[in-house]
Amino acid sequence: TQLLEQSPQFLSIQEGENLTVYCNSSSVFSSLQWYRQEPGEGPVLLVTVVTGGEVKKLKRLTFQFGDARKDSSLHITAAQPGDTGLYLCAGAWTDKLIFGTGTRLQVFP
Amino acid sequence: GAVVSQHPSRVICKSGTSVKIECRSLDFQATTMFWYRQFPKQSLMLMATSNEGSKATYEQGVEKDKFLINHASLTLSTLTVTSAHPEDSSFYICSALGLAGGEQFFGPGTRLTVL
Repeated sequence: TQLLEQSPQFLSIQEGENLTVYCNSSSVFSSLQWYRQEPGEGPVLLVTVVTGGEVKKLKRLTFQFGDARKDSSLHITAAQPGDTGLYLCAGAWTDKLIFGTGTRLQVFP
Repeated sequence: GAVVSQHPSRVICKSGTSVKIECRSLDFQATTMFWYRQFPKQSLMLMATSNEGSKATYEQGVEKDKFLINHASLTLSTLTVTSAHPEDSSFYICSALGLAGGEQFFGPGTRLTVL
């Protein structure tokens, strides 16, 4: 069974702080995706990383895929209240997505 | 962009009744749709993979006789929760894969509450 563990599980920070969320697995994935989910809504895709070692930037968000394609990180610079939400990593396994355990982020003004 | 809708968005039912949830791809065709369940404060768990014109593939531990999936067309998949019980109360989310594969497009979810 493929498992994706995210850490931390919860994160509560002040506006302007930086943070990093980690997504780890013992399995190799062909690609890894990061989503953000608001309460009562479906997840929204932020980025897909495919190549080991790949780094992608999306404004204040920086995503990295591990060299062995087993782990990933999401770094947010100068967090804002609008960044509040549930962040989910998901590994592509054949035609399925295996979702991580999730990181709930709360950014206070 | 590709849009996936779900209906209803919320449903409350009595224990023992059946509930049908629809998942539609609005502006693209999807040979494959996925059904997920999300309990409060938890992540998404894949329940089953639905392929147009064939039987769904269920994940381990998901009762296929309780969660009936029908994917009769390239734009519609339905999930029927049969003989629902309070423990089936959850947020059910579908996603659709375009004909070319690649990205899964997620619906907005259906909140099921079983009394």
